[in-house]
Amino acid sequence: DAGVTQSPTHLIKTRGQQVTLRCSPKSGHDTVSWYQQALGQGPQFIFQYYEEEERQRGNFPDRFSGHQFPNYSSELNVNALLLGDSALYLCASSLGPGQDGSPLHFGNGTRLTVT
Amino acid sequence: AQSVTQPDIHITVSEGASLELRCNYSYGATPYLFWYVQSPGQGLQLLLKYFSGDTLVQGIKGFEAEFKRSQSSFNLRKPSVHWSDAAEYFCASTGYSSASKIIFGSGTRLSIRP
Repeated sequence: DAGVTQSPTHLIKTRGQQVTLRCSPKSGHDTVSWYQQALGQGPQFIFQYYEEEERQRGNFPDRFSGHQFPNYSSELNVNALLLGDSALYLCASSLGPGQDGSPLHFGNGTRLTVT
Repeated sequence: AQSVTQPDIHITVSEGASLELRCNYSYGATPYLFWYVQSPGQGLQLLLKYFSGDTLVQGIKGFEAEFKRSQSSFNLRKPSVHWSDAAEYFCASTGYSSASKIIFGSGTRLSIRP
């Protein structure tokens, strides 16, 4: 049973560039959430995708956008990168959003470094 | 606004000793509550969850947590820690009407003293 997979594992970008991160959910899951985890901090909710639509969004600027594909996989795009975007980006899948409180299953994350 | 507070940034416990990690949530109704563990460079693994019913919840790896509504707390406990328990621990909650939008605390780093 494949868990949540994310690619790439590490990425180095320059300020102003754009980046795309990818996520495949756990088998049987249909909802994907993205989180940003800065060093020494807890994960911060970016947004959630279900049925190929953004369902909920955290307090992140429009530079952060996403997409969900018919096979439930998802992408996170960040435009005009800032140094402060350096973080571990975590993808999590779950059943829902009708399944209230459905636990999240996390991937190992993509470590993004912006120089 | 919904929030989760973990007041202890870093805790060191001797191997074999008991452990309690504190967590307080801020939400009007009873939320869904979770504890996750994160090893260095890894994603988060679910230890246990509370939805309703029995306020003492058993999880994996010998962990348990107790929901106390009067104190808005959901503390994580383990009677005897092992060196492999050294990791970052996150408490999280989701509001009753915010399915799957899980909010995390800032985490508690657990170190184990040999």
